[in-house]
Amino acid sequence: SAVISQKPSRDICQRGTSLTIQCQVDSQVTMMFWYRQQPGQSLTLIATANQGSEATYESGFVIDKFPISRPNLTFSTLTVSNMSPEDSSIYLCSVGGARNEQFFGPGTRLTVL
Amino acid sequence: AQKVTQAQTEISVVEKEDVTLDCVYETRDTTYYLFWYKQPPSGELVFLIRRNSFDEQNEISGRYSWNFQKSTSSFNFTITASQVVDSAVYFCALRFGGAQKLVFGQGTRLTINP
Repeated sequence: SAVISQKPSRDICQRGTSLTIQCQVDSQVTMMFWYRQQPGQSLTLIATANQGSEATYESGFVIDKFPISRPNLTFSTLTVSNMSPEDSSIYLCSVGGARNEQFFGPGTRLTVL
Repeated sequence: AQKVTQAQTEISVVEKEDVTLDCVYETRDTTYYLFWYKQPPSGELVFLIRRNSFDEQNEISGRYSWNFQKSTSSFNFTITASQVVDSAVYFCALRFGGAQKLVFGQGTRLTINP
């Protein structure tokens, strides 16, 4: 299975600021995924990040709010821009496994005041 | 439309009881994958099982078992002789077509009381 790390593990931020979340995988993967889990809710896909191309965003998510970088096959960042309290969530990155599994990082717990 | 429904929002049982978590899915694709994840209070998502649409064999792993029935579009999860450590939110998820992204159900919060 892939080993995925995320930084930071948690943060408390002021509204109007931005936070960049890092995701590191211990093996090269083609696609990385960013999910959001709002308090008490299920997971929702924000975007799919392919190395060397623009991220593909799901309905309801836009690049200006959630810019994503994918500089190489083991790393990606998600920025939550101009934050509001509604952005308080757990943000998780995910990668596919060799046997069609799907593995998740430990998540970044964000609180916006 | 691709959809996963976990009708049980919360389940509470006493330790050592058996408990079944229901999952019903919708997809028009003939090739798809179904997953179960466990999310303990710490927040990480723990992968439990992946099942593809062509394999309807039930699976058992220790106290965990899964029943996949295409006829009813269900992929139910049973914990036998539950333990307090099984307390968590459990998510069922669907991956369809050639995409690797997952569609999640709303989750079932399972509480095992001592």
